[in-house]
Amino acid sequence: NAGVTQTPKFQVLKTGQSMTLQCAQDMNHNSMYWYRQDPGMGLRLIYYSASEGTTDKGEVPNGYNVSRLNKREFSLRLESAAPSQTSVYFCASSEGYSQTFGQGTRLTVV
Amino acid sequence: KQEVTQIPAALSVPEGENLVLNCSFTDSAIYNLQWFRQDPGKGLTSLLLIQSSQREQTSGRLNASLDKSSGRSTLYIAASQPGDSATYLCAVDQTGANNLFFGTGTRLTVIP
Repeated sequence: NAGVTQTPKFQVLKTGQSMTLQCAQDMNHNSMYWYRQDPGMGLRLIYYSASEGTTDKGEVPNGYNVSRLNKREFSLRLESAAPSQTSVYFCASSEGYSQTFGQGTRLTVV
Repeated sequence: KQEVTQIPAALSVPEGENLVLNCSFTDSAIYNLQWFRQDPGKGLTSLLLIQSSQREQTSGRLNASLDKSSGRSTLYIAASQPGDSATYLCAVDQTGANNLFFGTGTRLTVIP
């Protein structure tokens, strides 16, 4: 009963480096989401995918790209990391209105 | 743009006390509102969802109310326990597409 699995759990990047955050769900959900959570702020939606093969921008998409590789997997890519992207990133999936969240990836860009 | 505010940012109460957490939103045209719990270093767990046509939802010791016209929701926790200590977040869905706008959260500490 893994639910939503995010890798890695922690990552430190240098400014300008690229990386991909991985997310996989085993609940056969159609919809998947990427959020970021910054201190003193609520979660903000970066991108979402309503179904396999579709992706849409959320509230804060700049500096990110996503890929819905298949129904299970939804990845988030930072092409050129910036210190402003230091945050905790959460992936979620849903069928209906109830979202299931992963444990988060804590990313620091120095 | 929808803005969701939660006050207070932090709250400490002795065990056994009943308490109320507040959530307000600027655009009353919402589809539903959800309350989540977040434990340190963990993801979010959904607690209650209220559709825009509903006034309240209950689950065990938790009761969430919604006053859409005034842009407010409350989460009532009865007989608080130390295990209730966590950050509580509310989130609104404006379109039914499940794209949520989150509040900043209230960090609750229940003192044994």
